[in-house]
Amino acid sequence: NAGVTQTPKFQVLKTGQSMTLQCAQDMNHEYMSWYRQDPGMGLRLIHYSVGAGITDQGEVPNGYNVSRSTTEDFPLRLLSAAPSQTSVYFCASSLVSGSSHEQYFGPGTRLTVT
Amino acid sequence: GQNIDQPTEMTATEGAIVQINCTYQTSGFNGLFWYQQHAGEAPTFLSYNVLDGLEEKGRFSSFLSRSKGYSYLLLKELQMKDSASYLCAVRLHNTNAGKSTFGDGTTLTVKP
Repeated sequence: NAGVTQTPKFQVLKTGQSMTLQCAQDMNHEYMSWYRQDPGMGLRLIHYSVGAGITDQGEVPNGYNVSRSTTEDFPLRLLSAAPSQTSVYFCASSLVSGSSHEQYFGPGTRLTVT
Repeated sequence: GQNIDQPTEMTATEGAIVQINCTYQTSGFNGLFWYQQHAGEAPTFLSYNVLDGLEEKGRFSSFLSRSKGYSYLLLKELQMKDSASYLCAVRLHNTNAGKSTFGDGTTLTVKP
């Protein structure tokens, strides 16, 4: 199992550019989510999905879009990058039901917007 | 809304014991997670407490008091590799584990 994978690991964008951060998991987890982490802070939920075709907003959704066409993939799109979106982005997955409650995190994408 | 508080930084000595506290104010509380995050890496799961009391896993233990809105993570026999950020996160009723709210984390530095 590769677990949760994210690409790219690093990205530099100019203000106004758009891009997609990729996230994939091979654990057949129903639940996937995107977080951003700013220096010295915890994780803030951007968007999440409880299964293919179902997505919803988290705490800080503005400026981001997601889609979930398959169980495995959950890409995050930045529509028009802004310096305020400079952050580390983590994708995570977990089971919806059952006794296992932990989230599995990808290695993160470090994004700088200039 | 939810309010989660943790100390920003702590320092301890190798071989010692350290307790990292987390207090929360929330409605519909279900359980509390602890995650460890080394600098530049992803968080990794340490524990999940639903019921009051202490749960032990090797050198790490986690305690929860639902009535007091309080949890702590206890690290024994500290090692240099325990230097990391420790995040507590609250899960609400009827939400998936992934839809949790995180505190800002406590950065623990272990010194020789």
